[in-house]
Amino acid sequence: GQNIDQPTEMTATEGAIVQINCTYQTSGFNGLFWYQQHAGEAPTFLSYNVLDGLEEKGRFSSFLSRSKGYSYLLLKELQMKDSASYLCAVRDSNYQLIWGAGTKLIIKP
Amino acid sequence: DAGITQSPRHKVTETGTPVTLRCHQTENHRYMYWYRQDPGHGLRLIHYSYGVKDTDKGEVSDGYSVSRSKTEDFLLTLESATSSQTSVYFCAISIDSRENTGELFFGEGSRLTVL
Repeated sequence: GQNIDQPTEMTATEGAIVQINCTYQTSGFNGLFWYQQHAGEAPTFLSYNVLDGLEEKGRFSSFLSRSKGYSYLLLKELQMKDSASYLCAVRDSNYQLIWGAGTKLIIKP
Repeated sequence: DAGITQSPRHKVTETGTPVTLRCHQTENHRYMYWYRQDPGHGLRLIHYSYGVKDTDKGEVSDGYSVSRSKTEDFLLTLESATSSQTSVYFCAISIDSRENTGELFFGEGSRLTVL
């Protein structure tokens, strides 16, 4: 079966750095996505990785290792507004998105 | 802003009643999706559409039907609602020019409670 694993919840301090991991086992691979979802709101697109390596976009970076079936989202200089759930999703060989259950990130002052 | 609106945003209904959720887009994108989101689960695809009258099932399509008679509207129908269909339903579109990235834009969500 296809599976995406990410931690259920993480806590970090304002101004710090946090890394949210995602491991996947899917039928084929055609890209990995990270979305941010604030409580009671819709998910919004953060990043896309299809090749190994690091993609940087401001305070957020996303890393991919296809051989290890592993990705992480790195958030720097954490702000209170970064409190949200972060969803990892993988597009499989049929171009269908498989979603993880999300990681709830709690930022403390 | 991809111009997606969902209606109703909140609905409480009783077991056995039919329910229709509407997704409306203003930009004529071809691909539209219906997902449900439940605690402890990732987003799960119910049905999707790749054009007018062109629809296909997702992984959790049982108990749901869809229709797309116009490019801008994608309707999700629960023929006879059950308590297991209590959920938050999200409509999404993929922007045609960005289909190769799979970036999805989501509506605000419709919270459905079946008593």
